[in-house]
Amino acid sequence: GQQLNQSPQSMFIQEGEDVSMNCTSSSIFNTWLWYKQDPGEGPVLLIALYKAGELTSNGRLTAQFGITRKDSFLNISASIPSDVGIYFCAGQVDTGNQFYFGTGTSLTVIP
Amino acid sequence: KAGVTQTPRYLIKTRGQQVTLSCSPISGHRSVSWYQQTPGQGLQFLFEYFSETQRNKGNFPGRFSGRQFSNSRSEMNVSTLELGDSALYLCASSLTDRTNEKLFFGSGTQLSVL
Repeated sequence: GQQLNQSPQSMFIQEGEDVSMNCTSSSIFNTWLWYKQDPGEGPVLLIALYKAGELTSNGRLTAQFGITRKDSFLNISASIPSDVGIYFCAGQVDTGNQFYFGTGTSLTVIP
Repeated sequence: KAGVTQTPRYLIKTRGQQVTLSCSPISGHRSVSWYQQTPGQGLQFLFEYFSETQRNKGNFPGRFSGRQFSNSRSEMNVSTLELGDSALYLCASSLTDRTNEKLFFGSGTQLSVL
């Protein structure tokens, strides 16, 4: 199956700092989705990207669909304690709603 | 609008048993996908249903099966449970099965196999 490399694996940051994470793929994707997951819960959709080069924001979150269509980036500005969780990227190659997920970035925000 | 609903929330089974998990998609959504999440393997695609037909299947053994009903609700079944089947099983729904769709997840069913 498709391999999605997500980095970094974990981050420990001070409250107020900005965060950057990314996903890279060996294949071209048509859609990139970014999720946040809290322990014991399902992933919650944060941002959806559909076009190469697209830059989309959702509050303090900004994500970009890479020009090569093989990568995507998520930035969180001015982090707060409730940003703590695991962030996943997901990419879709073609129709059928089969998404491939990254391995996740665990974010810890230190007050 | 209610989100994706999965039942039960927790399940404990023993090896060799079978289990059925249920998923109700967001109202109006016709595509339902199932994923298995484990600490070691992450989120792995099981299968996807649209209009009561399985459209895609992941790389899982035949012990894993599913179906979708005419109201878009879906069930997945795992027979002859193994210890390695312990995982969080997540259901996701989307409006259609085309590209450029958004995938919305339920809270999952935590399955423990003893």
